[in-house]
Amino acid sequence: NAGVTQTPKFRVLKTGQSMTLLCAQDMNHEYMYWYRQDPGMGLRLIHYSVGEGTTAKGEVPDGYNVSRLKKQNFLLGLESAAPSQTSVYFCASSYEQGQAPYEQYFGPGTRLTVT
Amino acid sequence: AQKVTQAQTEISVVEKEDVTLDCVYETRDTTYYLFWYKQPPSGELVFLIRRNSFDEQNEISGRYSWNFQKSTSSFNFTITASQVVDSAVYFCALSENNNAGNMLTFGGGTRLMVKP
Repeated sequence: NAGVTQTPKFRVLKTGQSMTLLCAQDMNHEYMYWYRQDPGMGLRLIHYSVGEGTTAKGEVPDGYNVSRLKKQNFLLGLESAAPSQTSVYFCASSYEQGQAPYEQYFGPGTRLTVT
Repeated sequence: AQKVTQAQTEISVVEKEDVTLDCVYETRDTTYYLFWYKQPPSGELVFLIRRNSFDEQNEISGRYSWNFQKSTSSFNFTITASQVVDSAVYFCALSENNNAGNMLTFGGGTRLMVKP
């Protein structure tokens, strides 16, 4: 099992450019998440999905869009990149079993720089 | 609203010392879950422990131990006889029960440096 994978690992964008980050998991998890990590701020949730075809906003959704067309994939899009979106992006997935949260499994991260 | 505070941003110890990482949380729910994750220099996040609010027993796993105290809203993490491989950023996180998507709220993290 590959677990959670993210593509690409690194990317440099110019202000105003767009890109899509791909997250894939092979654990048949229902729930998937996108976080950003900035120094001293821990991880902050951007968007999440509780199943195929569903998405919802997290704590810091502005400037991002997501899609979950297939259960195993969760895409994060930046339509017009800004320097404030320079960050490390992590995807995660978890089981869904009743109402109790289980641990989230994280991908290796994508380091994005917007100049 | 839920909140997690890790007041120690950086800790430096010498190998074999014991070290405790503090985690204080805020929640209005009576049922919630607490987590610790480790982020080594390679960057990936590694799950360490999950604890629900009804289980206040301390937990020990090898050199790692966790002290959960509801009275002070704390879930502290102790590494005994630290090793250089313990150098990492450690995150405490909280999830309230019944929250849509089982979302986690993370603390800011504590960077632990273990010197040989």
